[in-house]
Amino acid sequence: GAVVSQHPSRVICKSGTSVKIECRSLDFQATTMFWYRQFPKQSLMLMATSNEGSKATYEQGVEKDKFLINHASLTLSTLTVTSAHPEDSSFYICSARAFSEQYFGPGTRLTVT
Amino acid sequence: GQQLNQSPQSMFIQEGEDVSMNCTSSSIFNTWLWYKQDPGEGPVLLIALYKAGELTSNGRLTAQFGITRKDSFLNISASIPSDVGIYFCAGQPFSGSARQLTFGSGTQLTVLP
Repeated sequence: GAVVSQHPSRVICKSGTSVKIECRSLDFQATTMFWYRQFPKQSLMLMATSNEGSKATYEQGVEKDKFLINHASLTLSTLTVTSAHPEDSSFYICSARAFSEQYFGPGTRLTVT
Repeated sequence: GQQLNQSPQSMFIQEGEDVSMNCTSSSIFNTWLWYKQDPGEGPVLLIALYKAGELTSNGRLTAQFGITRKDSFLNISASIPSDVGIYFCAGQPFSGSARQLTFGSGTQLTVLP
């Protein structure tokens, strides 16, 4: 099956700093990738849709200047959390679409102290 | 917007028992997907359904795409301890350029030895 990787798996940063999370499709090309956020014991909430070569589409309530998304190639999308605050601590998961199915990365646990 | 109602929210069953969970939608979906998520991991695709009425199996798992296109169920037969986790249904709309997934709230499954 299609494999999606994420890096890093865990990151701890200080409040006010920026953190970049990478999402890669390893064995297929993905014109569209998705970024989700998940709080404990809750479902996945779509943050934005990342399109290769164009601007990301953000869901309502998601600050595009705070969560910068870059989809520079068909196998890589990055999410940068700028000026992170403790309330940004969460589990961030990316996914990539292969044909009609979405495959998810293993997630990144972000803790902002 | 579209909403998915997934039930039950949690289940405690004995090893060897069968499990059933379902999702209903307020609108029509073109594709239904079922995922399993282990703690600290990203969701893993279990079964994908593309046609109304379709019944698909993957080992001990069986899922069906409701004839109205507004519901789906997942059955797990002869449960084993490694079935423990959170199961999510997800629906993909019929149209739209991105065709993002809408997720159910999840079913937490606990298998007792």
